[in-house]
Amino acid sequence: GAGVSQSPSNKVTEKGKDVELRCDPISGHTALYWYRQSLGQGLEFLIYFQGNSAPDKSGLPSDRFSAERTGGSVSTLTIQRTQQEDSAVYLCASSLGLAGGPYEQYFGPGTRLTVT
Amino acid sequence: KNQVEQSPQSLIILEGKNCTLQCNYTVSPFSNLRWYKQDTGRGPVSLTIMTFSENTKSNGRYTATLDADTKQSSLHITASQLSDSASYICVVSGAGGGNKLTFGTGTQLKVEL
Repeated sequence: GAGVSQSPSNKVTEKGKDVELRCDPISGHTALYWYRQSLGQGLEFLIYFQGNSAPDKSGLPSDRFSAERTGGSVSTLTIQRTQQEDSAVYLCASSLGLAGGPYEQYFGPGTRLTVT
Repeated sequence: KNQVEQSPQSLIILEGKNCTLQCNYTVSPFSNLRWYKQDTGRGPVSLTIMTFSENTKSNGRYTATLDADTKQSSLHITASQLSDSASYICVVSGAGGGNKLTFGTGTQLKVEL
C-alpha cells in the first residue's frame, strides 16, 4: 500500500498556541517513531511506539510534547504552548520491528512547523 | 556519548564523476549501520543496512563499506547523476535495539552539469 503519510505538510502557528501533527504509518508496521530535524542538525529522536508496549518517551525535550498512538496505527504528536525553538521539520517513521534491529525504517515526508 | 561524524559536510561534483562520503562513529556496542538519502523537503530513504559482520553492501550505483574495527564507513557513489543531489545521512544503531539510533548530520552532495 501507500507509504508513511504525515499531515499537515506545513504548519505556521503563533507562539503559545498548541499544535497537533499526524502520522499514518504503513499498514502492519508495529513500530512508529517521531523525530525532529532542525536546520543543519541531525535527526533528533523524540518518541517511539512498539506494539502494545509502553512508548519510549525518553527523547521528548519537555513536558509540552506528548504523543499518542491509537489502535496501534495512527499517531498524533502534540506540542503545547509552542515556542520559537520548536520550529523544525517533524518526521515520522514506521518499521516492521524496532529499528535497532535490521528492520527498514520508512519515513514520511515530514511536517514543517514554523512558530512565529 | 555516542556520536556519528560525517565528512565532508558538503561536496560538489560533476555529473558522471564518482565520490566517496565518510562516516566515523563511536557508538558501542554496535548493531548496524545505515546510509540514508534525503532529498530536499522529503523524508530520508534507506540505501543500505550493514550489520557487524558485513564489510560491503551495494544498492545500484551506491556501495557502502564498513570497518567495524576502526568504526568507519564509507558510501561510494559511482557515475553520479543530477538526481543524486541530496543529503546523505549515516545512522548507527547500538546493540540492544529499540530507539538506539544515532544520526549523523549528513553530507550535502550537489551534482552539477
